Amino acid sequence: SQQGEEDPQALSIQEGENATMNCSYKTSINNLQWYRQNSGRGLVHLILIRSNEREKHSGRLRVTLDTSKKSSSLLITASRAADTASYFCATDLRSNDYKLSFGAGTTVTVRA
Amino acid sequence: DTGVSQNPRHKITKRGQNVTFRCDPISEHNRLYWYRQTLGQGPEFLTYFQNEAQLEKSRLLSDRFSAERPKGSFSTLEIQRTEQGDSAMYLCASSTADRGLETDTQYFGPGTRLTVL
Repeated sequence: SQQGEEDPQALSIQEGENATMNCSYKTSINNLQWYRQNSGRGLVHLILIRSNEREKHSGRLRVTLDTSKKSSSLLITASRAADTASYFCATDLRSNDYKLSFGAGTTVTVRA
Repeated sequence: DTGVSQNPRHKITKRGQNVTFRCDPISEHNRLYWYRQTLGQGPEFLTYFQNEAQLEKSRLLSDRFSAERPKGSFSTLEIQRTEQGDSAMYLCASSTADRGLETDTQYFGPGTRLTVL
């Protein structure tokens, strides 16, 4: 079963705007990771945030984590056409268990 | 290119045939994972190796599926007597844990898209 759930399922924005997507999960986690997937391709790792961290930045990406609400958000600032992709959150459960549990993803379309 | 590679990239087969996929992980990574992704869904965990040992298998991995990682290097995933429901993207990932930290970034290959007719 998939533990993460992204919201919204789809998002369409104009180039230059910010895109925000959320991820909720069900059980305690070790860390949470965000991945990007271009159509029909493999997943590209974007950012990892540990359970004891609240916010992390990487270039135009900002990720927050609220373990009390079991939720995370991914913000992409100043979006570009190349950001068009599906974005997935994945959780690494708190155990000696390294498999990732993914949500169904948010599909982002950036219009030129 | 030192990333994760998968072969073939696409496979079309007839129902009932056997297929085998190969994954070559990043060379220094000791962990290797297989996931399956169907259209519109996120990847689902299938199985995981640490070195040559297969440590966990999902209930999604029926007895028609078998995975190996001889010598702890590349891995193969075989599906016997394929069914139309096996049509999916099969993704491989590899990782190595940071020493002293409980983190494990997984790096994914481009996937093998299987179509069962």
